[in-house]
Parts: sequence; C-alpha cells; structure tokens
Amino acid sequence: RKEVEQDPGPFNVPEGATVAFNCTYSNSASQSFFWYRQDCRKEPKLLMSVYSSGNEDGRFTAQLNRASQYISLLIRDSKLSDSATYLCVVNRANDYKLSFGAGTTVTVRA
Amino acid sequence: DGGITQSPKYLFRKEGQNVTLSCEQNLNHDAMYWYRQDPGQGLRLIYYSQIVNDFQKGDIAEGYSVSREKKESFPLTVTSAQKNPTAFYLCASRGGGQPQHFGDGTRLSIL
Repeated sequence: RKEVEQDPGPFNVPEGATVAFNCTYSNSASQSFFWYRQDCRKEPKLLMSVYSSGNEDGRFTAQLNRASQYISLLIRDSKLSDSATYLCVVNRANDYKLSFGAGTTVTVRA
Repeated sequence: DGGITQSPKYLFRKEGQNVTLSCEQNLNHDAMYWYRQDPGQGLRLIYYSQIVNDFQKGDIAEGYSVSREKKESFPLTVTSAQKNPTAFYLCASRGGGQPQHFGDGTRLSIL
C-alpha cells in the first residue's frame, strides 16, 4: 500500500464552482501535512500547510482528520488559474524524508 | 533573494555518458533532496542529505550518485548505469521542519 494516496482526477469544474478532494495516508505517526500545487512542466510550489484545527487561506481550506488518516483541500469560487495538479505531502516526526502523493488534477473551465 | 538554483534547465545525454545536474541553495537549509518525476506521475526520491558530507539513498538510487561537500551544493550525477534517465529532475531543500522548497528543475533527455 502506498504511504500517500490521492484520487488522480481529473476534476473538471466550471468557474465559480467549489471543488474538494482528499488524500489518505497510511502511517499514523505522520505529523506534518502540506498541499503543494504543480503547474504543467513546472516545479511544485507550496500552497499551504495543514494544521490540526484546519486552516484557510483565501479561497482554499485544508482539513486534517487524524482518526481516519486523511487530509482534504477545498477550493471555493474556482478560477481558471486554479487549474493545476495538487500534491499531498506527508512527513513523519523526526524524519527528513517526505512522502508525496501522485497528485490530483483540477481543470477549471470557463 | 533566497532560493534554489538548478542548472542546466535542459540537458541531453548520449549513450554511455555520465552527466551532472547542479543544485545550489542560499537558504541556509541543512537538508537537500533529489527527486525524479516522470510524465503524469508523482515525485520519487533519489537521494537526500541531512547534513554536509552525509547522504542517504532514496527509493530509486540505482544509476545515480551524489555528493555534499558544501552546505549550499548537492549535485546529482546520472551515470551510464541509469538506463532510462529521461525525466524531470527536481532538487529541494528544507530547514527547521518547514516545508520543502523546490528548484525549477532540469529536464534530461537521451540523444
């Protein structure tokens, strides 16, 4: 079983819609969680860290469910510029290695 | 302006040739990483280094080698033993438990 799993999508949504997707992780010792955004043929860029209480950054909301071992990302009022692949990243305590999901592709259409 | 610089942006390798990808960071990060990404796939860890003069194999280290003689630099050599080197190579660094920062990558192709 992969350490981090994501629904690859694609999620095709119209502008202005809300889209949400999850990422599951297998190691209960995981401590740090992040969402990265990767545009086609570019490097991943940090979108947001995910905190235990959940957190919001503008139109983006991230949640952590430790009991069920998943994190989620919700994008409200989708923009064309939100079209990208979203990578889920998980880190165990005291471990320099991070585990990456394969990504969820979101396409926002006009 | 702090960041990670990878060079070259594009690289072509001939059969039987070793090539070296450069990665330099001025973020004063202790940890540095090399990943490989194939089209439509996730990132796979090749090597990582927690500190100068020390590095560990990742999940797909065969056919690759690294060095970490300076904190700022973590070059990756793709050797002739790597039979399928065509990919997008990403270098990253990390400090103080913070998220990783990535360079803008090197695309390696076979001639």
